[in-house]
Amino acid sequence: DAKTTQPTSMDCAEGRAANLPCNHSTISGNEYVYWYRQIHSQGPQYIIHGLKNNETNEMASLIITEDRKSSTLILPHATLRDTAVYYCIVRVATSAGNMLTFGGGTRLMVKP
Amino acid sequence: EAGVVQSPRYKIIEKKQPVAFWCNPISGHNTLYWYRQNLGQGPELLIRYENEEAVDDSQLPKDRFSAERLKGVDSTLKIQPAELGDSAVYLCASSLVGAVTGELFFGEGSRLTVL
Repeated sequence: DAKTTQPTSMDCAEGRAANLPCNHSTISGNEYVYWYRQIHSQGPQYIIHGLKNNETNEMASLIITEDRKSSTLILPHATLRDTAVYYCIVRVATSAGNMLTFGGGTRLMVKP
Repeated sequence: EAGVVQSPRYKIIEKKQPVAFWCNPISGHNTLYWYRQNLGQGPELLIRYENEEAVDDSQLPKDRFSAERLKGVDSTLKIQPAELGDSAVYLCASSLVGAVTGELFFGEGSRLTVL
């Protein structure tokens, strides 16, 4: 699976959009971009994933560049409860399972 | 629908003692994972099961760690004997092969402290 690079930490004001970048310059054509987050003392939680098109769900939007070498997770109106570590993961969806390889993630702090 | 259930949530033991963690995955999920998460780091895979078969255990320290998934449902992860460096959160996750999103569902984890 391709390696990802994320900033170690970011701050965001409550109510503003949080834009979390991720670089995955070695991504392969069949690798998806996944985002998970981990709130303190909980297990990681799936947010969104995409292959090459931009995606949106009730939690967030995922913007993938045309060359697929980077992506941005957007939380449109961050709340204090969005304070968490956000993990960007790229992987191939295989028939043998959906294993995830986590990096260090970005620690997002949403401030009042 | 119940999520992934793990127990115990917290465990404090002295080094050289044994410890066991239990995981009940989401009903119908055929793939089960055990991850270990050290403080300030992302989770690392220890072992992955497809039904009752361990298909990836390359990161499991086999001298002291063991795992089983009897009948392809619940799973137990055991450490014997525990060392100071085993202090971490042990996360269990499950997924359904062939699901559209490929999402992994995680439990809340079992936090182990070895004194």
